[in-house]
Amino acid sequence: DIQMTQSPSSLSASVGDRVTITCRASQGISNYLAWYQQKPGKVPKVLIYAASALQSGVPSRFSGSGSGTDFTLTISSLQPEDVATYYCQKYNGAPLTFGGGTKVEIK
Amino acid sequence: QVQLVESGGGLVRPGGSLRLSCAASGFSFSDYFMSWIRQTPGKGLEWLSIISGTGRTIYYADSVEGRFTISRDNAKISLYLQMSSLRADDTAVYFCARGSSGSSFLDYWGQGTLVTVSS
Repeated sequence: DIQMTQSPSSLSASVGDRVTITCRASQGISNYLAWYQQKPGKVPKVLIYAASALQSGVPSRFSGSGSGTDFTLTISSLQPEDVATYYCQKYNGAPLTFGGGTKVEIK
Repeated sequence: QVQLVESGGGLVRPGGSLRLSCAASGFSFSDYFMSWIRQTPGKGLEWLSIISGTGRTIYYADSVEGRFTISRDNAKISLYLQMSSLRADDTAVYFCARGSSGSSFLDYWGQGTLVTVSS
């Protein structure tokens, strides 16, 4: 099975900082990659699908890139409401594996 | 609007069984793949199983294959997860989620139901 590895596992950044989270697949998955945001005590919410497509209603400061095995989620200007754990997920076929998550905090 | 509401969670002894339900509304249920995902308290997300709109295509994670059974009743607009031979490490919040149209990323999630496996 394909493994999904996220890095870092946690980060602390200042408001307004550019934040980058990476997700690596152990085998190529084309662009079948989604990013989810889970705020504390809340349900996960999809931010990005097809590696770079912004889900409706998601702020434009979120962006995704990559294809094959290496993917990136970028927050162009970190806001206090972005405090959350972010997960990548492959969906090119079962199992639909999640990455381990990246916890983002405000410095 | 799309709504997914899980039920059926609770306390169960190791080795026991439990059936979770997910009531859907606000969309054409039979047209969508549906998944179950769980989250151990304080930990990450684990995808468990997916079922096609017709119910004919089903996949499981290795961790639950042979112990959990996913099913759906399109007439009742409901998704199910039958869990058996439960272990302490099955303790988690269980979510149902809808696969996006024409794809499998998860565009709507329920609020989750807590399953606790303990003697």
